[in-house]
Amino acid sequence: AAGVIQSPRHLIKEKRETATLKCYPIPRHDTVYWYQQGPGQDPQFLISFYEKMQSDKGSIPDRFSAQQFSDYHSELNMSSLELGDSALYFCASSFIPGTANTEAFFGQGTRLTVV
Amino acid sequence: RKEVEQDPGPFNVPEGATVAFNCTYSNSASQSFFWYRQDCRKEPKLLMSVYSSGNEDGRFTAQLNRASQYISLLIRDSKLSDSATYLCVVNMSPLGSGNTPLVFGKGTRLSVIA
Repeated sequence: AAGVIQSPRHLIKEKRETATLKCYPIPRHDTVYWYQQGPGQDPQFLISFYEKMQSDKGSIPDRFSAQQFSDYHSELNMSSLELGDSALYFCASSFIPGTANTEAFFGQGTRLTVV
Repeated sequence: RKEVEQDPGPFNVPEGATVAFNCTYSNSASQSFFWYRQDCRKEPKLLMSVYSSGNEDGRFTAQLNRASQYISLLIRDSKLSDSATYLCVVNMSPLGSGNTPLVFGKGTRLSVIA
């Protein structure tokens, strides 16, 4: 079965550079979530989109932005990178049927290292 | 108080042991509950959804107690391959009301020892 696809899998950037992470949700899923997980930490919610509109915002820095496109894929844009941005970035997708548990399925993540 | 709290780990148990994890959540309106498993440097993977009546999948049993706002995960006959971090996850929104994010607990590390 198709899963959530994230690219790139690994990314190394220098401080103050920009990075773009991409997420392709499971077909027919209408919701995308972005999470950041630092070493030894639980995943922290950044932002989510439902039907191409931003639906919720968590601890996403102002230097980051994201959007969901017409084909439902999403991109997380990160600018003025800092050392502390080094983390695993997960994308998850789900379908909101309204009548059942809304499980989310995660991509394999993008490991961003800022040097 | 954190929205989702889990038993602090790590749990170190011998093979064949039974181990239970508890998790409490703060929002009484929450409707959807899950246990995810996360291996080191890998993505969280859905282990079980937790239904109001409780549910069982092989060696794994999940239960929900709405009155006390906690969910539990019981693992019987532990295997070495069960070693992982178990994340309690709660969707804080009522069913069908939107797509508020899943809120994760900090996770409980389980190590099953031969």
